[in-house]
Amino acid sequence: TQLLEQSPQFLSIQEGENLTVYCNSSSVFSSLQWYRQEPGEGPVLLVTVVTGGEVKKLKRLTFQFGDARKDSSLHITAAQPGDTGLYLCAGLGNTGKLIFGQGTTLQVKP
Amino acid sequence: GAVVSQHPSWVICKSGTSVKIECRSLDFQATTMFWYRQFPKQSLMLMATSNEGSKATYEQGVEKDKFLINHASLTLSTLTVTSAHPEDSSFYICSARTVLAKNIQYFGAGTRLSVL
Repeated sequence: TQLLEQSPQFLSIQEGENLTVYCNSSSVFSSLQWYRQEPGEGPVLLVTVVTGGEVKKLKRLTFQFGDARKDSSLHITAAQPGDTGLYLCAGLGNTGKLIFGQGTTLQVKP
Repeated sequence: GAVVSQHPSWVICKSGTSVKIECRSLDFQATTMFWYRQFPKQSLMLMATSNEGSKATYEQGVEKDKFLINHASLTLSTLTVTSAHPEDSSFYICSARTVLAKNIQYFGAGTRLSVL
């Protein structure tokens, strides 16, 4: 069974701080996605990484895919209250279904 | 980007009634649609996978007679919660993907179901 372990599950920080969310697995994934979800809404795709070692940047968000394609990280620089939400990593499993991490609830206080 | 419309966004019903939730891909043909259930501050839990024109595949522990899924066209899938009870209250989310990009799913905005 393929699993994605996401950590931390909860994070509460002050505006301006940096943070990193991790997504780890013992399995290799052909691609991995990061989503952000706000309360009462569906997840919104932030990025897809497909190549081992790949780094993608989206404004203050930096996404990295591990060399072995078993792990990924999301780093946010100078977090803002608007970054508050649930962050989800997901990888395409062998069955063709997306496998989700447990999610990270981020709260950025002004 | 691709848009998935989910309707209704919020529904309140009495215990014992049935509720239908619609999921539409607005600007692409969705060969596969997925239905998820989500509890507060938790990740998405896959309930079933539906392919156009065939029966849905349910995940272990999900009652197929309780959660009826129909995927009659390439742009529409429906989830019917039959004889709903308070424990069925949850946030239900659909997603859709095309055959060309199996690693990318586009999500609907979700449906909040409250069963009284």
